[in-house]
Amino acid sequence: AQSVAQPEDQVNVAEGNPLTVKCTYSVSGNPYLFWYVQYPNRGLQFLLKYITGDNLVKGSYGFEAEFNKSQTSFHLKKPSALVSDSALYFCAVRDDTGRRALTFGSGTRLQVQP
Amino acid sequence: ETGVTQTPRHLVMGMTNKKSLKCEQHLGHNAMYWYKQSAKKPLELMFVYNFKEQTENNSVPSRFSPECPNSSHLFLHLHTLQPEDSALYLCASSPGGAGDNEQFFGPGTRLTVL
Repeated sequence: AQSVAQPEDQVNVAEGNPLTVKCTYSVSGNPYLFWYVQYPNRGLQFLLKYITGDNLVKGSYGFEAEFNKSQTSFHLKKPSALVSDSALYFCAVRDDTGRRALTFGSGTRLQVQP
Repeated sequence: ETGVTQTPRHLVMGMTNKKSLKCEQHLGHNAMYWYKQSAKKPLELMFVYNFKEQTENNSVPSRFSPECPNSSHLFLHLHTLQPEDSALYLCASSPGGAGDNEQFFGPGTRLTVL
């Protein structure tokens, strides 16, 4: 079985400050890890993914994530937050057995204050 | 927009009604998915279709009936729903083949069951 934990329901950060949204996972075999963002009344938008290779993955809108195998984590980061980054962020995992279904975390609401 | 459209965007129905949700993807993908998003819960995978064949049914009640006539279209037929079925229903698609591809989501249908 695979699972994802996003331990924070909400993260508050001031504009211009660095942000981190945490994600830990559990999966049999090697993980495929994804981050998605959801704005109000919209579907999920893909930000970035880790499949293999470099542990630091760069994605859309200046976001990046670091894969840490020993800590089974895939935290989302951005060096300087924007008010427009305020949204709901989801971490997701799939194992490498060929099953297509993603398992999502419960989401973290990011609030960036001006 | 992501190339995945869903209609209607909003739907209100009584428990005795029959209605259908429609999803269409314009991305040339071969896999399509239905997810349920309820407040304060992780996204729940409902069904997966790959090359028009259903490959996963995540123990979904029979009052939800999917249909995938071709790789571009996916339907979710609804009948005798319960108020707890009220949620945002999201459709997604991804390329066929390797499981490391990200999924592209539609904007969702907000369903309210009275």
